[in-house]
Amino acid sequence: SQQGEEDPQALSIQEGENATMNCSYKTSINNLQWYRQNSGRGLVHLILIRSNEREKHSGRLRVTLDTSKKSSSLLITASRAADTASYFCATDEKLVFGQGTRLTINP
Amino acid sequence: DGGITQSPKYLFRKEGQNVTLSCEQNLNHDAMYWYRQDPGQGLRLIYYSQIVNDFQKGDIAEGYSVSREKKESFPLTVTSAQKNPTAFYLCASSISKTGDGNTDTQYFGPGTRLTVL
Repeated sequence: SQQGEEDPQALSIQEGENATMNCSYKTSINNLQWYRQNSGRGLVHLILIRSNEREKHSGRLRVTLDTSKKSSSLLITASRAADTASYFCATDEKLVFGQGTRLTINP
Repeated sequence: DGGITQSPKYLFRKEGQNVTLSCEQNLNHDAMYWYRQDPGQGLRLIYYSQIVNDFQKGDIAEGYSVSREKKESFPLTVTSAQKNPTAFYLCASSISKTGDGNTDTQYFGPGTRLTVL
């Protein structure tokens, strides 16, 4: 069973623009995490948001969580070429990952 | 340097052969995990271990086996029973187990790309 589902599957924007990707899940959670994966590499943890939190910031990252809609969003502001990667959300039930959003930042 | 390592980075195997992928961590983490990733797809959990000498099947354990004789090591064997083993394999560790409402961040290794010829 797949818990986190990211949307869109692919996103291409210009450097300097903001990138927003979404994650939906099916069952109640204690918290939700976002990870980044550069091509052919392992995943890197970005941010964790707990179920009693609505918004969290880390540098250029902003994560929101709406437990009533069972959804989360990741906003990357002032995007850079180095942000090009796949982004995954994962929920706390054995950290089930979705298929990810492939983000491409065009210079 | 603290971290989690996987070897080899690339691995080629003839059909019908077993092959073992290495995963080592010096983070003193209790929990370790193995995932499989196919092109353009997310991660699927193969096996996980919450403590030494104990491990649990994930969503796609068939055709795989693991051992956890040491805290630092969690090798994965891809057996000949795995029908489509060509994939990217990722190992991860965390301070403690997940799934009991006590989620911990997972730290990932660089991955092993297995190709069956």
